[in-house]
Amino acid sequence: SQQGEEDPQALSIQEGENATMNCSYKTSINNLQWYRQNSGRGLVHLILIRSNEREKHSGRLRVTLDTSKKSSSLLITASRAADTASYFCATVYPGGSYIPTFGRGTSLIVHP
Amino acid sequence: DAGITQSPRHKVTETGTPVTLRCHQTENHRYMYWYRQDPGHGLRLIHYSYGVKDTDKGEVSDGYSVSRSKTEDFLLTLESATSSQTSVYFCAISGGENYNEQFFGPGTRLTVL
Repeated sequence: SQQGEEDPQALSIQEGENATMNCSYKTSINNLQWYRQNSGRGLVHLILIRSNEREKHSGRLRVTLDTSKKSSSLLITASRAADTASYFCATVYPGGSYIPTFGRGTSLIVHP
Repeated sequence: DAGITQSPRHKVTETGTPVTLRCHQTENHRYMYWYRQDPGHGLRLIHYSYGVKDTDKGEVSDGYSVSRSKTEDFLLTLESATSSQTSVYFCAISGGENYNEQFFGPGTRLTVL
């Protein structure tokens, strides 16, 4: 399977702390995306980083990509209770397919 | 939110019965997808469409068929439902400038007894 793998599977922090989750993959990618899923809802796209990029920011989100290690990290700064959700990385591989392959996700709980 | 709706939102059915789930979009996006989400497996692609009447299989297509007769509608059919098809089903769309980015519907929770 070309599925990315998120780590940790679960993360519990206090409001105001930073949350870091990681994604590792096995073969070269075209781009990597992060999605959020609130309980009982569909996934929501957060950010896309291309293989030639190393870092991207969006509000309180910071994504890094290390293609030499085949890994990416999602950092959420100053977490809020509303950030409680599952976070998925999705990898898009070169070779004609545009369809992202989703990992199993990291469950984040932010305690108020 | 992207204009994607799924119907029904919840369904309970019995083994052996046919079931059709509908995905409707108002974004005029070219690509549409059906996923299933199960604990421990994340999202797995069932089928996808890259245009009207153009569909292809995904990772877990056995037991499922799809049809797309209009840009806005993508139907997923379970010809004879089995308990292993109990799952939450998500439709997604993509297209336009950022065609890699997917927009998801709210999901359909299907229980097969």
